[in-house]
Amino acid sequence: QVQLQESGPGLVKPSETLSLTCTVSGGSISSYYWSWIRQPPGKGLEWIGYIYYSGSTKYNPSLKSRVTISVDTSKNQFSLKLSSVTAADSAVYYCARCGGDCYSDGMDVWGQGTTVIVSS
Amino acid sequence: SYELTQPPSVSVSPGQTASITCSGDKLGHKYAYWYQQKPGQSPVLVIYQDNKRPSGIPERFSGSNSGNTATLTISGTQAMDEADYYCQAWDSSTARFGGGTKLTVL
Repeated sequence: QVQLQESGPGLVKPSETLSLTCTVSGGSISSYYWSWIRQPPGKGLEWIGYIYYSGSTKYNPSLKSRVTISVDTSKNQFSLKLSSVTAADSAVYYCARCGGDCYSDGMDVWGQGTTVIVSS
Repeated sequence: SYELTQPPSVSVSPGQTASITCSGDKLGHKYAYWYQQKPGQSPVLVIYQDNKRPSGIPERFSGSNSGNTATLTISGTQAMDEADYYCQAWDSSTARFGGGTKLTVL
């Protein structure tokens, strides 16, 4: 079955750019929407944005000015870049797949999450 | 921005029925989704399109959505159902999550 694995630095300095990659295994990245979601310590879930395998994107308006999500179909990976980070961006970052159509099928496969701490 | 409101906590006795609500403006006009998250684990989709269960989710999980409120119902609640539950809906192409409800089975 499809599995997702997040990877990237666990520590990022304030004002720098957070970069994470999600590798899709056990299936193709094609024909699906792929999301990033984060969860600050002890808090709830916040959707960051999604990318369709073709490259079209949607971002949370609250983060839109700082977020870029991209896809590399040849590597079966998609990536997140969040610029100008502050301590408020410290969180567990999850990647997830939408079942088919993001607007009707829900996020049915999730990665295990990766913790990112923003600190000097 | 669109807000989804959940009670912070719900308690239920084993074997009884637990109901967790999620409120939002005209939520019944949108699809509601529910995710279960156990401590230290990733969220798991338990309900999509208001009332559909993904493969592998027990039949005791059900959902409804009407008016301004979506409800997740767990019938015959088991100890293993103790977790945080999050509702989610799409508004203006943005995924919104509720604040989460901690379900305690005692």
